Amino acid sequence: DADVTQTPRNRITKTGKRIMLECSQTKGHDRMYWYRQDPGLGLRLIYYSFDVKDINKGEISDGYSVSRQAQAKFSLSLESAIPNQTALYFCATSDRGTSGRALSTDTQYFGPGTRLTVL
Amino acid sequence: EDQVTQSPEALRLQEGESSSLNCSYTVSGLRGLFWYRQDPGKGPEFLFTLYSAGEEKEKERLKATLTKKESFLHITAPKPEDSATYLCAVPHLNDYKLSFGAGTTVTVRA
Repeated sequence: DADVTQTPRNRITKTGKRIMLECSQTKGHDRMYWYRQDPGLGLRLIYYSFDVKDINKGEISDGYSVSRQAQAKFSLSLESAIPNQTALYFCATSDRGTSGRALSTDTQYFGPGTRLTVL
Repeated sequence: EDQVTQSPEALRLQEGESSSLNCSYTVSGLRGLFWYRQDPGKGPEFLFTLYSAGEEKEKERLKATLTKKESFLHITAPKPEDSATYLCAVPHLNDYKLSFGAGTTVTVRA
């Protein structure tokens, strides 16, 4: 079974609809992230959470909200979807600094992605 | 602002034709660099972490190297199954966010 799962894998919706993308992980990691990927732009961070009570905005959080329901679950919501939110969405997880270095560079592990189309 | 640039955007290789991908970055206080492989329709798969200039890591036909300004991913005698998009990423200095390059799409023909 996959360590990081995302549902749904594909979604087509209309402008103005509310959408929720869900992410679950069995890796036991504390940190979870939401990214979007657009052609030619690479992955951009939307929100990240270091534990259930700690949620932070990333570089492109406008139009999005998140909920960390448990250590293993992190959901991304589009309150009122618009066409320029059409993209691939990825959830990722990481452990809390396993490298042993003073400033950790924890490796992030990604889910399979959700392809969202907003018409 | 931290920036990560990958080149070329696309690379077409014949099976067995070795080549290199480049990842250049402008960050203050490099704390490491990650390489990922991404297959179409899938999430990025972790390959390597490099922490300091001069470090090298290898996995099968892939070898990653790091200097103070850039990293290279060398593909030696590639096979069609090495076809993928390769992403590099650099962590920010004072937090745990990553800046990703746009990727290099490698196609290996049999």
